[in-house]
Amino acid sequence: DAGITQSPRYKITETGRQVTLMCHQTWSHSYMFWYRQDLGHGLRLIYYSAAADITDKGEVPDGYVVSRSKTENFPLTLESATRSQTSVYFCASSERTALSYEQYFGPGTRLTVT
Amino acid sequence: SQQGEEDPQALSIQEGENATMNCSYKTSINNLQWYRQNSGRGLVHLILIRSNEREKHSGRLRVTLDTSKKSSSLLITASRAADTASYFCATGISGGYNKLIFGAGTRLAVHP
Repeated sequence: DAGITQSPRYKITETGRQVTLMCHQTWSHSYMFWYRQDLGHGLRLIYYSAAADITDKGEVPDGYVVSRSKTENFPLTLESATRSQTSVYFCASSERTALSYEQYFGPGTRLTVT
Repeated sequence: SQQGEEDPQALSIQEGENATMNCSYKTSINNLQWYRQNSGRGLVHLILIRSNEREKHSGRLRVTLDTSKKSSSLLITASRAADTASYFCATGISGGYNKLIFGAGTRLAVHP
């Protein structure tokens, strides 16, 4: 199906475990983003990518790792999950054009770290 | 700290009334966008206004931008129960590689 998908939609893990959240988009958008959403904080940017093999830190990158070997995929890994990383994670994508800056969001992954 | 700050944090109105949400920001922007989020869902883009524009319309939505005051407003006219959602402003920073900085949002409840 066309669009942007995230998996899993729900995940419960234990403190210290490694977790990878997947994001896939079918539009061949250049830009991809990972956000976390916590009550009272809106969305905060974790990492973003301008193209395959180009990634950069956002506002809250500590404890997270990303990679972008293919344009369509942008996985987010929590190397050693902590309770403070309990959140809803959203992936988004955007075209690379001066005329279009809208971001398209996936449905989110609700992650609980126990 | 957040770039965009929405006001009010929550708004409760009756169907048919207009809803106005405000957003203030701190630094120079390239564009300002408004997104809607229904409960348990991802964000959906509503409207984008560029830094050289002052007003924009899309259906029942009207957005204004005042760069001298670093503020924007979103007006939803003739609200419907289906407009119940959280609304976020997001600022695109000049040279920011399409990055957006989101505010904490306004929760709108429209009662039948």
